[in-house]
Amino acid sequence: NAGVIQTPRHKVTGKGQEATLWCEPISGHSAVFWYRQTIVQGLEFLTYFRNQAPIDDSGMPKERFSAQMPNQSHSTLKIQSTQPQDSAVYLCASRSGTGHTEVFFGKGTRLTVV
Amino acid sequence: TQTVSQSDAHVTVFEGDSVELRCNYSYGGSIYLSWYIQHHGRGLQFLLKYYSGNPVVQGVNGFEAEFSKSDSSFHLRKASVHWSDSAVYFCAVRDSGGSNYKLTFGKGTLLTVTP
Repeated sequence: NAGVIQTPRHKVTGKGQEATLWCEPISGHSAVFWYRQTIVQGLEFLTYFRNQAPIDDSGMPKERFSAQMPNQSHSTLKIQSTQPQDSAVYLCASRSGTGHTEVFFGKGTRLTVV
Repeated sequence: TQTVSQSDAHVTVFEGDSVELRCNYSYGGSIYLSWYIQHHGRGLQFLLKYYSGNPVVQGVNGFEAEFSKSDSSFHLRKASVHWSDSAVYFCAVRDSGGSNYKLTFGKGTLLTVTP
């Protein structure tokens, strides 16, 4: 079990460019989450998929952020027209089913917008 | 709405000392609580969880936590810390009922273990 895999680990983009972050959840896990981590805000929920369907995107900035899960083995978080305030560590996580199972996190993608 | 408070931003102890990292929450319903550890530059690693039963739960690497409904707390403890325990520790809460997916995290406590 390789755990939740996130690529790339580090990404630097210029202001206004697009950034796509990739996540491969643990095989068999039906729930996938994206979180954002910054020094100021801490860990913030962005969005949640269950069985590939988007369930809750209440944490996503509305205009430039989007997330997809085209199949059960990967999810993407896309940020259009990146801004310096988007600089953060983006964490993907997964867990099996519902109930009281624990959530497993990937190592994160550190996005720096210059 | 759930909130989590970790009152200590930074705790420093010597290797071999015991440590308690505090977590208080506010939520009126059935609750699921967990602790995660984050070493520098790494993702979050699950330590332990509580949702029912024995209020003292054991986790990995000698960590344990105790749930108290009366104090709205879920403090993390370790009897004898090692230098490798130096990391940031996050307490997290979620609803253990129907909408039981979104974790709300505290701001974290940086634990520094001095050799």
